[in-house]
Amino acid sequence: GENVEQHPSTLSVQEGDSAVIKCTYSDSASNYFPWYKQELGKGPQLIIDIRSNVGEKKDQRIAVTLNKTAKHFSLHITETQPEDSAVYFCAANERAGNQFYFGTGTSLTVIP
Amino acid sequence: ETGVTQSPTHLIKTRGQQVTLRCSSQSGHNTVSWYQQALGQGPQFIFQYYREEENGRGNFPPRFSGLQFPNYSSELNVNALELDDSALYLCASSLSGRGRNEQFFGPGTRLTVL
Repeated sequence: GENVEQHPSTLSVQEGDSAVIKCTYSDSASNYFPWYKQELGKGPQLIIDIRSNVGEKKDQRIAVTLNKTAKHFSLHITETQPEDSAVYFCAANERAGNQFYFGTGTSLTVIP
Repeated sequence: ETGVTQSPTHLIKTRGQQVTLRCSSQSGHNTVSWYQQALGQGPQFIFQYYREEENGRGNFPPRFSGLQFPNYSSELNVNALELDDSALYLCASSLSGRGRNEQFFGPGTRLTVL
């Protein structure tokens, strides 16, 4: 089955700086890679996703890059704000309707 | 558009008891997936329901079972509760077919087994 690894497990940045979270996956058949933000006491919220036919996707301050050859993808948050503080999870999915495999999460703290 | 809802929010049970958790999928979605999230971990896939039938299962024992109803809502049942079953149980709804992958999560049910 698929194995998703995520680094770092914790990340602290100053407000306004950028944050980068990296994930690797093992199954070359995976073709959909979402990122979720989970705040304390809440369920994961989908913030951005990318499919294997695209190398990069951007949505305002958030971007995701995918390297299919190396089997890794990354989340980039620019101009970080205190409200970006949360746990972020990456995931991989082989086909629509199939299960998601999640990373172990990155706890991001943005220091005002 | 109504989001994914789950009930109850919190639940405390004792070892050996049985529990039923409920999920209402997002409007227009026909598939429900259940995940278990232990403290400090990523969600782990339990199973998925599509058209009222199990459509994939993770590495969980048979005492974890589920149902999906004609209105696409779903239940997760856990029998013979063990201490390690203490976790946040998440329901995610999606629209299967047409190559759509996106899953949207509910707020979860926090289960504590004493």
